[in-house]
Amino acid sequence: EPEVTQTPSHQVTQMGQEVILRCVPISNHLYFYWYRQILGQKVEFLVSFYNNEISEKSEIFDDQFSVERPDGSNFTLKIRSTKLEDSAMYFCASRLINYGYTFGSGTRLTVV
Amino acid sequence: DQQVKQNSPSLSVQEGRISILNCDYTNSMFDYFLWYKKYPAEGPTFLISISSIKDKNEDGRFTVFLNKSAKHLSLHIVPSQPGDSAVYFCAASAITQGGSEKLVFGKGTKLTVNP
Repeated sequence: EPEVTQTPSHQVTQMGQEVILRCVPISNHLYFYWYRQILGQKVEFLVSFYNNEISEKSEIFDDQFSVERPDGSNFTLKIRSTKLEDSAMYFCASRLINYGYTFGSGTRLTVV
Repeated sequence: DQQVKQNSPSLSVQEGRISILNCDYTNSMFDYFLWYKKYPAEGPTFLISISSIKDKNEDGRFTVFLNKSAKHLSLHIVPSQPGDSAVYFCAASAITQGGSEKLVFGKGTKLTVNP
């Protein structure tokens, strides 16, 4: 069964450093998402991406965040200057049809 | 802004009995509802869904009920098995004004099925 692949599985970074979280969505999917889950809290929507541009973003997705689909297969989330409160599990998801989301297994980001 | 609420953070049931997980929502624009199951260190995996035009959807041991007037849905697992022990997330979907779709998740309910 096709999978959404995320790397790395765990990233530790110092506060103020830039991080790039990588995702390989399912190849024929058209819509791409990043969600995050802070420990003990709900899964929160960050951003959706379609046709090579952001289609919607949440209040969390401020100027420190950016997304790219650099080569037609990878989908990356960049955090420019990490803060302690960015520590969370970050999930990438993709879908082809309405509601047919497939989630990756997540990247645990720890900011120290 | 808790548009999707799962008021029970945890639930414990005996193997073979029924597990009932509840979810309430506030946004009447939600038109599709999904349940996801999540094991530790894994991403959410899709379990079952229901469109707002239906009131019940069944898939094997899993049944989702939707009560639109009460803005309430529930997931029934019968019979419950120890392998069902996981965190269950209720999610709702709506098409935004911009035409995009996103999921709004509840906080999750941790289900423990005891042998």
